[in-house]
Amino acid sequence: NAGVMQNPRHLVRRRGQEARLRCSPMKGHSHVYWYRQLPEEGLKFMVYLQKENIIDESGMPKERFSAEFPKEGPSILRIQQVVRGDSAAYFCASSLLGAGGEETQYFGPGTRLLVL
Amino acid sequence: GENVEQHPSTLSVQEGDSAVIKCTYSDSASNYFPWYKQELGKRPQLIIDIRSNVGEKKDQRIAVTLNKTAKHFSLHITETQPEDSAVYFCAAGGVYGNNRLAFGKGNQVVVIP
Repeated sequence: NAGVMQNPRHLVRRRGQEARLRCSPMKGHSHVYWYRQLPEEGLKFMVYLQKENIIDESGMPKERFSAEFPKEGPSILRIQQVVRGDSAAYFCASSLLGAGGEETQYFGPGTRLLVL
Repeated sequence: GENVEQHPSTLSVQEGDSAVIKCTYSDSASNYFPWYKQELGKRPQLIIDIRSNVGEKKDQRIAVTLNKTAKHFSLHITETQPEDSAVYFCAAGGVYGNNRLAFGKGNQVVVIP
């Protein structure tokens, strides 16, 4: 029973490049969440997606960031024209259900993005 | 939006003693409160959670209490062991059916052998 998978685990980009982070939820889970963690900080909510739908993107910057969760394949968090301040660990979580809240979220191992 | 605060930031305990971490939250509509343990460089792992219809939940050496009136909840670890050393995050969510979680900044727990 594979858990939440993320790749790559480490990603190095130069300023101005694009970063693509992938997340495969646990088997049977159709709800995906992305969080960002700065060093020695808590996790900050970015976006909540269900298959082919963005449910809540209130935590995601309006510029340069986008997310999708297609019918087939992993969820993708895309950061265009990366800047040094984007360097962080990006965690994906998934849950079986989402409606009504209170559904347990299971986290992936994270992608550590370093922008040079 | 929801604001979650954790105290203290760092907690050192002797092996075998108890550790208590407290969190407060701001949105009275939050109704789901999980606790995650994160070891260095690893993913956050759920250790226990509590829903608003109960005041206390226990799982072996770990317990969580919730006071909805005061808007605070606490994690209790008894008989601490060196492997309990990690950063612990509390979170709050479930506001109006939205599953997103607001996390505290974390507590570093150090268990001294």
